Amino acid sequence: EPEVTQTPSHQVTQMGQEVILRCVPISNHLYFYWYRQILGQKVEFLVSFYNNEISEKSEIFDDQFSVERPDGSNFTLKIRSTKLEDSAMYFCASDDRVGPYEQYFGPGTRLTVT
Amino acid sequence: GEDVEQSLFLSVREGDSSVINCTYTDSSSTYLYWYKQEPGAGLQLLTYIFSNMDMKQDQRLTVLLNKKDKHLSLRIADTQTGDSAIYFCAESSALNFGKGTSLLVTP
Repeated sequence: EPEVTQTPSHQVTQMGQEVILRCVPISNHLYFYWYRQILGQKVEFLVSFYNNEISEKSEIFDDQFSVERPDGSNFTLKIRSTKLEDSAMYFCASDDRVGPYEQYFGPGTRLTVT
Repeated sequence: GEDVEQSLFLSVREGDSSVINCTYTDSSSTYLYWYKQEPGAGLQLLTYIFSNMDMKQDQRLTVLLNKKDKHLSLRIADTQTGDSAIYFCAESSALNFGKGTSLLVTP
């Protein structure tokens, strides 16, 4: 069964450093998403991406964040200057926008900012 | 978005039915969703319901939707230990999730 993959599974970085989280969506999907989940809190929408541009973003997705689809398979989330409060699980998801937006989620990357 | 509300914990005995409740906020949501998250894994779509339906049954899962009260529930019949996980309800296209309900199934 096709699945969304994410790398790395765990990333530790120092405050102020840049991080890039990587995702490989399901190959025939066209819509891509990033979510985050701070420990003990709800899953929060960050951004959606379609046709090589951002289609929707939340208030959390400020200028420190950017997304890119550098080639035909990868979808990345970059945080330019990490803060302690960026520590969270980051989930990538993709769907084909047919019917009920059945989003498939990756296993997540745990980002720890020290 | 505004908060989707769920109770945080539910404990049931194996073989019993589990009912997980959710109150959502977006009355324009076309679909409402239930996701399951097992330890160390991502979210997996369990089931969804179209907003013009009151009920949907899928094997051991029954989803009930009360649009007037914006209330969604998930019933798991004959709950098994493998059903132990966190269950999230979600609304709208850019999924707005609740905090999740931790279901613990005891033998």
